[in-house]
Amino acid sequence: DAGVIQSPRHEVTEMGQEVTLRCKPISGHDYLFWYRQTMMRGLELLIYFNNNVPIDDSGMPEDRFSAKMPNASFSTLKIQPSEPRDSAVYFCASSFARGSSPLHFGNGTRLTVT
Amino acid sequence: SQQGEEDPQALSIQEGENATMNCSYKTSINNLQWYRQNSGRGLVHLILIRSNEREKHSGRLRVTLDTSKKSSSLLITASRAADTASYFCATDPGGSEKLVFGKGTKLTVNP
Repeated sequence: DAGVIQSPRHEVTEMGQEVTLRCKPISGHDYLFWYRQTMMRGLELLIYFNNNVPIDDSGMPEDRFSAKMPNASFSTLKIQPSEPRDSAVYFCASSFARGSSPLHFGNGTRLTVT
Repeated sequence: SQQGEEDPQALSIQEGENATMNCSYKTSINNLQWYRQNSGRGLVHLILIRSNEREKHSGRLRVTLDTSKKSSSLLITASRAADTASYFCATDPGGSEKLVFGKGTKLTVNP
């Protein structure tokens, strides 16, 4: 089992550019979560999916953020246009079931917007 | 706002000593989980304790849960330099499907 795979590991972009982060969850996991981690705010849940359907996107900070899960093995988080305050580490995590099941995290994408 | 708040924010101990980290939360939960994060890596699940459990052990880890005080503690016994990491508690507020994390305790174990 390769675990949750995120790409790219690092992304440096200029303000105003579009950024796409990618995630491949563990096969068989029904839930997929996108988190953002910063020193100031800690780990924030942005959005989560159940069986490829977005369930709660209340953590998405603005309309500039969007996420999709076209199939059970792939999800994207897109920021358009990006801003310097979006700089953070973005994590994808997957799990078998709801809150009683451990989350398996990828190693994150470190995004720097200049 | 964060559901879970860890205390202390940072802890530095010598190898062989025990490390205790605390977590407080605000609303009712079904489960509480503890995770470890090494620098530059994703979080790794350590242990889950259900709301009807008071204590749980896993190797050198001991977790307690006091639902009346809405608090939990993680004890790492006989710490090693490899235990150096940040530790987070996570809860499912109101039994929801999503996990909410605290800001973590940064543990440094000096050899």
